[in-house]
Amino acid sequence: DAGVTQSPTHLIKTRGQQVTLRCSPKSGHDTVSWYQQALGQGPQFIFQYYEEEERQRGNFPDRFSGHQFPNYSSELNVNALLLGDSALYLCASSLRQGDGYTFGSGTRLTVV
Amino acid sequence: QKEVEQDPGPLSVPEGAIVSLNCTYSNSAFQYFMWYRQYSRKGPELLMYTYSSGNKEDGRFTAQVDKSSKYISLFIRDSQPSDSATYLCAMSAVWDDMRFGAGTRLTVKP
Repeated sequence: DAGVTQSPTHLIKTRGQQVTLRCSPKSGHDTVSWYQQALGQGPQFIFQYYEEEERQRGNFPDRFSGHQFPNYSSELNVNALLLGDSALYLCASSLRQGDGYTFGSGTRLTVV
Repeated sequence: QKEVEQDPGPLSVPEGAIVSLNCTYSNSAFQYFMWYRQYSRKGPELLMYTYSSGNKEDGRFTAQVDKSSKYISLFIRDSQPSDSATYLCAMSAVWDDMRFGAGTRLTVKP
């Protein structure tokens, strides 16, 4: 049974560019959350998707947007990249009223 | 003041020691409490999940929640070198928007 799958694993982008990260949730999970983890810090909540809608959003600017597809997979889009966007981006899936999140291994984004 | 405070360590112990990891928080609405383990270059892995106050034991791991003190703990008995990782506490008021601590880096020396 596959866990949470994220792609790509690593990415290097130039300041000002746009990036799309992808996530396939664990089988049976219907909710996808995205987190940003800076080096040496805990993950910071970006937003959560359930039933193809953004249900909750953390303190991130509108440059961060997302989407959930009917098969529960999800994308995270970041526009106008800044150097400070360099981080590990984690996708976590769960059941809406579940007993814990399952995280993927993340996408490491470097903005130069 | 951060919503969730966690001592980043690093913490180094000999193999077989009892490890105590702690977090404090300020939001009295938190009712879901979790501990995650994160190995280098990997995503966090759920270790323990507790709803509201009390203790929960799973093998060598024990999680404690004291809501009156806004304090949670994770104890690891008979620590092993394979326990060397960063341990993250996480908590939320409703079942989403988990707030994480900064993580404590633990090294268990053989």
